[in-house]
Amino acid sequence: AQRVTQPEKLLSVFKGAPVELKCNYSYSGSPELFWYVQYSRQRLQLLLRHISRESIKGFTADLNKGETSFHLKKPFAQEEDSAMYYCALSWGSASKIIFGSGTRLSIRP
Amino acid sequence: DAGVTQSPTHLIKTRGQQVTLRCSPKSGHDTVSWYQQALGQGPQFIFQYYEEEERQRGNFPDRFSGHQFPNYSSELNVNALLLGDSALYLCASSPSVGLNYGYTFGSGTRLTVV
Repeated sequence: AQRVTQPEKLLSVFKGAPVELKCNYSYSGSPELFWYVQYSRQRLQLLLRHISRESIKGFTADLNKGETSFHLKKPFAQEEDSAMYYCALSWGSASKIIFGSGTRLSIRP
Repeated sequence: DAGVTQSPTHLIKTRGQQVTLRCSPKSGHDTVSWYQQALGQGPQFIFQYYEEEERQRGNFPDRFSGHQFPNYSSELNVNALLLGDSALYLCASSPSVGLNYGYTFGSGTRLTVV
């Protein structure tokens, strides 16, 4: 069955340090992958999607089909990056999106 | 554009009762998906509605049902409430074309079953 795994519940890094939030998925075909973010007291919002190959707020994510991973990276963390991050997967014509359990990113000053 | 709106924001129900949650999708979106998010967990897919029909369903019992209206708004109904149904219920909308764009989420309805 399709599945998204985020192995870290909490990731704490210092401001200015690099950030990598891990995401692995289970799907044998061509997936559509997303990162969603939820800042404190705000609604869940789309951060980026792999098909767009875009960089949002300095974050990037590369799809690695060999390792079935879609890790989220940022070279220099900022305090405003503190939030809950969810990796999500969609596939084929299913269109539904399934989510991982999330990683809380805490940036220390 | 108000985006996705959900009502009510909070709700307290007694075990065994029934509840109805409402969602208005973002303008231009015709597909509505519902999720349950328990404390400390990621959103779990309940079902998706398109053209007033349930198109996809997650691993939820028949106590969970829904409806979509001609104006694309949607309702989630839960019967015979259990304590374990306490969660944040999220509604998300998307256009039926260009599914790769992902979903737009509402702020959710916090349901507490006592």
